[in-house]
Amino acid sequence: AQSVTQPDIHITVSEGASLELRCNYSYGATPYLFWYVQSPGQGLQLLLKYFSGDTLVQGIKGFEAEFKRSQSSFNLRKPSVHWSDAAEYFCAVGNTGGFKTIFGAGTRLFVKA
Amino acid sequence: GAVVSQHPSWVICKSGTSVKIECRSLDFQATTMFWYRQFPKQSLMLMATSNEGSKATYEQGVEKDKFLINHASLTLSTLTVTSAHPEDSSFYICSASYKAYEQYFGPGTRLTVT
Repeated sequence: AQSVTQPDIHITVSEGASLELRCNYSYGATPYLFWYVQSPGQGLQLLLKYFSGDTLVQGIKGFEAEFKRSQSSFNLRKPSVHWSDAAEYFCAVGNTGGFKTIFGAGTRLFVKA
Repeated sequence: GAVVSQHPSWVICKSGTSVKIECRSLDFQATTMFWYRQFPKQSLMLMATSNEGSKATYEQGVEKDKFLINHASLTLSTLTVTSAHPEDSSFYICSASYKAYEQYFGPGTRLTVT
């Protein structure tokens, strides 16, 4: 069965520091992978997605993620974090057929001044 | 583009009453809509998938008689929580899709049952 693991429940980084959020997935075939961000009390916004091709994916708001098949990982990175990046981040995998998405438990990002 | 709205954004109801939440795709036609439930500080749990004009497909453990889903048109799906109880209090999020691997999420509806 498909699953997504986000090992870090919460992470605190200083403003301007780099960020990496971890995501591991379990899926039999080539996965369709996503990162979403959720601000408090809001819906989800898609940051980026990986379907195929270049394993380094660029997204919105300066985020990028790298797909590593050998490690079953899809970690999200940002070189310099801004205070406005404080939010909940969800990694997700799409199932075969594409109409069902499995979400990880989420990682809450805190940004300190 | 690809905007999804939900109404209301916040609702309080008394135990035993029913409440309806609307999900609309504003600028596209959604062949499929999804309803999720999110408990505080937890992930999204898929409740059901609905396709326009057909019955919703509920996930295991979700009571279909309690959470009624109607997808009457390509731009509107509704979730009705019947005979609500305090344990139904949660954040409900819908999403809409018109092609595989593309979902657009609404802003969510916070339901509080007193």
